[in-house]
Amino acid sequence: DIQMTQSPSSLPASLGDRVTITCRASQDIGNYLRWFQQKPGKSPRLMIYGATNLANGVPSRFSGSRSGSDYSLTINSLESEDMAIYYCLQHNEYPYTFGAGTKLELK
Amino acid sequence: QVQLKESGPGLVQPSQTLSLTCTVSGFSLTSYNVHWVRQPPGKGLEWMGVIWSGGNTDYNSALKPRLSISRDTSKSQVFLTMNSLQTEDTGIYYCNRNGFAYWGQGTLVTVSS
Repeated sequence: DIQMTQSPSSLPASLGDRVTITCRASQDIGNYLRWFQQKPGKSPRLMIYGATNLANGVPSRFSGSRSGSDYSLTINSLESEDMAIYYCLQHNEYPYTFGAGTKLELK
Repeated sequence: QVQLKESGPGLVQPSQTLSLTCTVSGFSLTSYNVHWVRQPPGKGLEWMGVIWSGGNTDYNSALKPRLSISRDTSKSQVFLTMNSLQTEDTGIYYCNRNGFAYWGQGTLVTVSS
């Protein structure tokens, strides 16, 4: 199975900050990488697909990038509504695998 | 609009079998795959398996011996069946449509005697 190593597990940040979360794939997954945001008591929300494409309705302060086997989610100018847990998902091959999650919280 | 809704028993006894239903609307099961994802309390997401639009299935290798996904296209329903439940199977179970842009609200399953 492909392992997705996500870091950091916790990310304290201040409003207005620029933050980056990273997932490293244990094997080549191409651009078959998605990012999700999950708030307490809610279903996950798709934020990024194809590693770099913004999903419908997602604010432009969110962006995705890739460097080799490292995939990153960046949030520019952090807002209070961005405080959540973020997960990556590889869907290049079955079984699909999620990263362990990054909890973004106010410093 | 696209909607998915999970339903199930809520409480299951250890060693028993879990049966969940995902009822969809706004799309056809013969055109889109449907995935199951679960989340233990306070923990991360785990992909469980998928039923393809053509009816084939793929499963998480760790769950494959216990897990089955099927469907009734006439009723727009997808079924998850998992046997030999243990306490670590407690969590929220979600179904979602291929692409992961559409999720159900999730259903909480508690395994306890």
